[in-house]
Amino acid sequence: RKEVEQDPGPFNVPEGATVAFNCTYSNSASQSFFWYRQDCRKEPKLLMSVYSSGNEDGRFTAQLNRASQYISLLIRDSKLSDSATYLCVVNGDQTGANNLFFGTGTRLTVIP
Amino acid sequence: EPEVTQTPSHQVTQMGQEVILRCVPISNHLYFYWYRQILGQKVEFLVSFYNNEISEKSEIFDDQFSVERPDGSNFTLKIRSTKLEDSAMYFCARSSATGPSYEQYFGPGTRLTVT
Repeated sequence: RKEVEQDPGPFNVPEGATVAFNCTYSNSASQSFFWYRQDCRKEPKLLMSVYSSGNEDGRFTAQLNRASQYISLLIRDSKLSDSATYLCVVNGDQTGANNLFFGTGTRLTVIP
Repeated sequence: EPEVTQTPSHQVTQMGQEVILRCVPISNHLYFYWYRQILGQKVEFLVSFYNNEISEKSEIFDDQFSVERPDGSNFTLKIRSTKLEDSAMYFCARSSATGPSYEQYFGPGTRLTVT
């Protein structure tokens, strides 16, 4: 069973483009959702938490659809520095669980 | 918020040996986690540790693994009798509180190579 599924990509987009990543999760009991970014051979870095009402942080917008168990990340006006792997992350399947389940990630390359 | 530091950054060991990976909190965090990432694969949860006790562990975290906070500061992951398939990046993470809504911040990782 894959707890979190993502399109692995790669996505190759020009600078300034808008790109969207999607993710689905299997456990309807999951309560918390996050997007992390990971550069090659580096640690995952928290990009943003995802709330039911949707949330925006600068050029980044995250959406959650609990009914469809679907999470999205939209990046506007892509920069070269946005090139990374974007990880969809969901908390564990027990009430109060602290463990995180990671997707395999979607690779983004922003081209000059 | 500051993350944690990890030592060593790279550890090479022979199959069957024991290794100890260390996680050093920058401030007095109470909640710690270990994850691993085999090259080319997803990040996988190993164990969470709160108030000097294991609070959750995954199926991966079997008798080969143990965690402790021996001096009240460093948080260690011990892997006994290492196998080739233990080669991976091992990440320590911390959170400011426990519970699913609290964000976890990762250290830079230790690359373990078992030969």
